[in-house]
Amino acid sequence: DVKVTQSSRYLVKRTGEKVFLECVQDMDHENMFWYRQDPGLGLRLIYFSYDVKMKEKGDIPEGYSVSREKKERFSLILESASTNQTSMYLCASSPTATVLSYEQYFGPGTRLTVT
Amino acid sequence: AQKVTQAQTEISVVEKEDVTLDCVYETRDTTYYLFWYKQPPSGELVFLIRRNSFDEQNEISGRYSWNFQKSTSSFNFTITASQVVDSAVYFCALSEALNTDKLIFGTGTRLQVFP
Repeated sequence: DVKVTQSSRYLVKRTGEKVFLECVQDMDHENMFWYRQDPGLGLRLIYFSYDVKMKEKGDIPEGYSVSREKKERFSLILESASTNQTSMYLCASSPTATVLSYEQYFGPGTRLTVT
Repeated sequence: AQKVTQAQTEISVVEKEDVTLDCVYETRDTTYYLFWYKQPPSGELVFLIRRNSFDEQNEISGRYSWNFQKSTSSFNFTITASQVVDSAVYFCALSEALNTDKLIFGTGTRLQVFP
């Protein structure tokens, strides 16, 4: 079974703090993704990585950065957390698509509250 | 531009009723993939099905069935004889041939099944 784990289920941080969200997958997938989920907005892609040290901006990258030093680990960084970054953060992984598109496998999510 | 619309924000049914969740998509590609995911209260998205644009055959898996109609750009999901455990948020998603690694999600439909 594919396993995607996230470092925390719940996190409370103060405005201005630097926040690290960690994601690890155990299936040797090339692709990893960070989404945020907000009511009425569905899932929005923040960043995407298709290989170690490679990254690509998603739809809403502002205020976030990412790091992928090892294939299995993809970190999301909030350089200076703000209250509008209070959200559910979901990590996902998938194999590289060749002929067809593969489903993404998701972690349990981290509910981040910034006060 | 690609887009996925789930017009039903929330649906409530009583156990054993049948329920259909609508999904309408927009894409310029002739080759694309459609997905359904389930997000139970625990938070983790669970993959349900993937279809490619060349396969319009409807699919049935137990109480679940999917109706793919290219003529109306729809990929609807029906649960027959709903159960309380079906209560979840359901997401429809699209990926395109030129960008098969990325998924574009709809805003989701929350289904509540009451006993």
